[in-house]
Amino acid sequence: DAKTTQPPSMDCAEGRAANLPCNHSTISGNEYVYWYRQIHSQGPQYIIHGLKNNETNEMASLIITEDRKSSTLILPHATLRDTAVYYCIVKGNTDKLIFGTGTRLQVFP
Amino acid sequence: DSGVTQTPKHLITATGQRVTLRCSPRSGDLSVYWYQQSLDQGLQFLIQYYNGEERAKGNILERFSAQQFPDLHSELNLSSLELGDSALYFCASSVSTGSQETQYFGPGTRLLVL
Repeated sequence: DAKTTQPPSMDCAEGRAANLPCNHSTISGNEYVYWYRQIHSQGPQYIIHGLKNNETNEMASLIITEDRKSSTLILPHATLRDTAVYYCIVKGNTDKLIFGTGTRLQVFP
Repeated sequence: DSGVTQTPKHLITATGQRVTLRCSPRSGDLSVYWYQQSLDQGLQFLIQYYNGEERAKGNILERFSAQQFPDLHSELNLSSLELGDSALYFCASSVSTGSQETQYFGPGTRLLVL
């Protein structure tokens, strides 16, 4: 499974959009991009995933570049409850999720 | 609420002891995964079961073992516990296997070995 690179931390004002970038330059054609978040020490929470096309659900939007080498998770209106560590994971033929160090997003009032 | 349940929530035990962590997957999910999260190692995959059979192994110590029962719940057994085994243990489940199968995580069991 391809490795991902994320900034260690980001800040975002409450009510503004939070854009979390992820680089996955070695991604293969059949590998999906998954995003999870972990609030404090709770279980990781699934957010969204995609292969090629941009995806949107009730939590977030996922923008994948045309060459698939990077992606951006967008939380359209961040709230204080969105403060968490966000993990970008590339998942291929193996079922396991390989978690990196993620991005610690701090939403401030 | 992901639908995955784990018991107990907290566990405090002594070095050398043995403990069993339990996981009930979401209704209909056949695949169960175990992950360990420690302060120095982050979240790491331990082992996966699919419909009762072991499917993949990760960084699981020989002192640790797991199984998935006919009703699809899973247990992770940790024996000869050491201080370094103190960690959060998460279980996840998915309907099936494959790169498009989303894993949903339980709330975890916090293990403290004294």
